[in-house]
Amino acid sequence: DQQVKQNSPSLSVQEGRISILNCDYTNSMFDYFLWYKKYPAEGPTFLISISSIKDKNEDGRFTVFLNKSAKHLSLHIVPSQPGDSAVYFCAAKLPNFGNEKLTFGTGTRLTIIP
Amino acid sequence: SAVISQKPSRDICQRGTSLTIQCQVDSQVTMMFWYRQQPGQSLTLIATANQGSEATYESGFVIDKFPISRPNLTFSTLTVSNMSPEDSSIYLCSVETTGGLDAFFGQGTRLTVV
Repeated sequence: DQQVKQNSPSLSVQEGRISILNCDYTNSMFDYFLWYKKYPAEGPTFLISISSIKDKNEDGRFTVFLNKSAKHLSLHIVPSQPGDSAVYFCAAKLPNFGNEKLTFGTGTRLTIIP
Repeated sequence: SAVISQKPSRDICQRGTSLTIQCQVDSQVTMMFWYRQQPGQSLTLIATANQGSEATYESGFVIDKFPISRPNLTFSTLTVSNMSPEDSSIYLCSVETTGGLDAFFGQGTRLTVV
């Protein structure tokens, strides 16, 4: 049972344009969401997170939007750069004052075209 | 954030043998998590390691196959025992800083069993 889904296994975007990565979840109890970037042969790098009490969080070129009613979140990267080419994972947590396991999506491979 | 050192970074092992993966964190953390990423798949939690107590294993993972040690608040090991080719994966340790919600990962151990 895949509780966190990334329905697009891959995405190609022109350099300088906006990249939008999507993530859907089924468990309405999730209250904290995270995005990670992963290069081959490296561990995931934390990018940005959002609590369920917010609908938007921004950090530089990265913005995460959360639509709780639709159980959907998205990561916007603008402008996209060649170094953004990687696999992106969304992850979700249940409320437990932190120290709770992450449930990961299946990942989206983003390719930025120069 | 936390700096997490994981070793070895990769290994090729004979079936039937065991490999111990080490994870060192630059700060004291309450819980450490061990994940597995099988080829082409998402990250799956193996177990959660608390200092001074037995690790908590997720469904499908057992202590005899994946024994874990957590001797102090900055260090943990995961052993992959009696390996078979199906154990070929990337193994990752993860921590949350105390009081934090965001999880950070080591660079991973790429294990190939032949």
